[in-house]
Amino acid sequence: KNEVEQSPQNLTAQEGEFITINCSYSVGISALHWLQQHPGGGIVSLFMLSSGKKKHGRLIATINIQEKHSSLHITASHPRDSAVYICAGHSYSGAGSYQLTFGKGTKLSVIP
Amino acid sequence: NAGVTQTPKFRVLKTGQSMTLLCAQDMNHEYMYWYRQDPGMGLRLIHYSVGEGTTAKGEVPDGYNVSRLKKQNFLLGLESAAPSQTSVYFCASRGSYEQYFGPGTRLTVT
Repeated sequence: KNEVEQSPQNLTAQEGEFITINCSYSVGISALHWLQQHPGGGIVSLFMLSSGKKKHGRLIATINIQEKHSSLHITASHPRDSAVYICAGHSYSGAGSYQLTFGKGTKLSVIP
Repeated sequence: NAGVTQTPKFRVLKTGQSMTLLCAQDMNHEYMYWYRQDPGMGLRLIHYSVGEGTTAKGEVPDGYNVSRLKKQNFLLGLESAAPSQTSVYFCASRGSYEQYFGPGTRLTVT
C-alpha cells in the first residue's frame, strides 16, 4: 500500500519568514503533487514533479527520488499563504490510469 | 470554462435516506474521481472512472455507487446513508497529470 507522510501537521510563521513543508513517500510512488486547500475548502494543484525542482512565484518544490522525499518552500511568506498544503503521491493503477495517495496536510498560518 | 462543478454544496440526510451527488466538468477530461475528506485524514479515493461508461473502485468504495453515462458527468450515489458517511466529498477530473477539483459537497447524515 502506498503511503505519504507530511510534516509538520501545523505551522505558524511570521510574515516574511521562509517556510518549509516536508513530505516522504513509499516505494511505488513515481511522482509527487503539491496541492493547496484554501480556508473556504477549494483545492488547487500547485505542482507535479517527478525529479528536480519547480518554481512558481514564491513557491518552490523539490524532490529527491533516491531519498523519496519532497519539500515545498515558500519564500517571503504572506498572510494570504495561510492554507492547508497537501502532498499526494502519484502511482500507476493500470489501464493507463493513476491514483493519488494523499498526506494528511500541513495547516499553515502566517501572522502579520 | 466553469472547470469542475458539484451539486449540491450542502446536504443533510437522515440515516437510511438516499441521494446522488453530481459532478460535471467542461474540460473534456477522460478521467474523473470521487474523494472524501474527513478530519485528521487525507483525501481518500472512493471510486474513479477512466472514461465514459467505465467505473472502478478506489480505497473506500463500500456504501457508494457511481455512474459515468456521459463523459462530462460523474455521479456518486448513496443508497442508504449512514452517519459514517458524514464527510466533505470532492470530485476531480484529470488533465495530462494535474487534477482539477470541484468545490466540494458537505454532507451530514444524522
